[in-house]
Amino acid sequence: DAGITQSPRHKVTETGTPVTLRCHQTENHRYMYWYRQDPGHGLRLIHYSYGVKDTDKGEVSDGYSVSRSKTEDFLLTLESATSSQTSVYFCATRGPIGGSQETQYFGPGTRLLVL
Amino acid sequence: GEDVEQSLFLSVREGDSSVINCTYTDSSSTYLYWYKQEPGAGLQLLTYIFSNMDMKQDQRLTVLLNKKDKHLSLRIADTQTGDSAIYFCAESTNDYKLSFGAGTTVTVRA
Repeated sequence: DAGITQSPRHKVTETGTPVTLRCHQTENHRYMYWYRQDPGHGLRLIHYSYGVKDTDKGEVSDGYSVSRSKTEDFLLTLESATSSQTSVYFCATRGPIGGSQETQYFGPGTRLLVL
Repeated sequence: GEDVEQSLFLSVREGDSSVINCTYTDSSSTYLYWYKQEPGAGLQLLTYIFSNMDMKQDQRLTVLLNKKDKHLSLRIADTQTGDSAIYFCAESTNDYKLSFGAGTTVTVRA
């Protein structure tokens, strides 16, 4: 969606290395989310943020940390990547991009491969 | 995703109607959503319904909500090849988080 970008879009890394994924939004939305998508599981919430410096864990937070030092950026860090973290990662924000306050809009995704 | 369940696959002939079903467990759900994901792309919000409604229509899309049975469906009229995608049902509760189903892969055949 127009207001949400993710970087990098693709990454290959080795087991044990740190990885940081970035989500950037231009819509000034308060809420931001990181999900991972795996076959047969739909999307599962990793962490989310409800404001600058305010974050909380989702259902699959082990091995991940996040930071939000300003409204527009939400960073997801894998401190020491493992092969089980190979996945597609989606960032989302919540807010009125042409809709109600109750809608989440998603970025294009980051494909991460951990060898 | 265990709180939201969907059938995994649906095959439909072009021009027919598609019906994708979803069940959820949280009776405090406030909004229910349908997202579409095309290959290699992110999730596109198709439509959503507030929990105090039982039907919403938006062009070719009709959403039906049976709150008593916790059942949500999405009907796509006059299904086209461009409707081939994965469709995700999701529910939202008061904490502004979404729980997703595993997705239904819809294949439209000529």
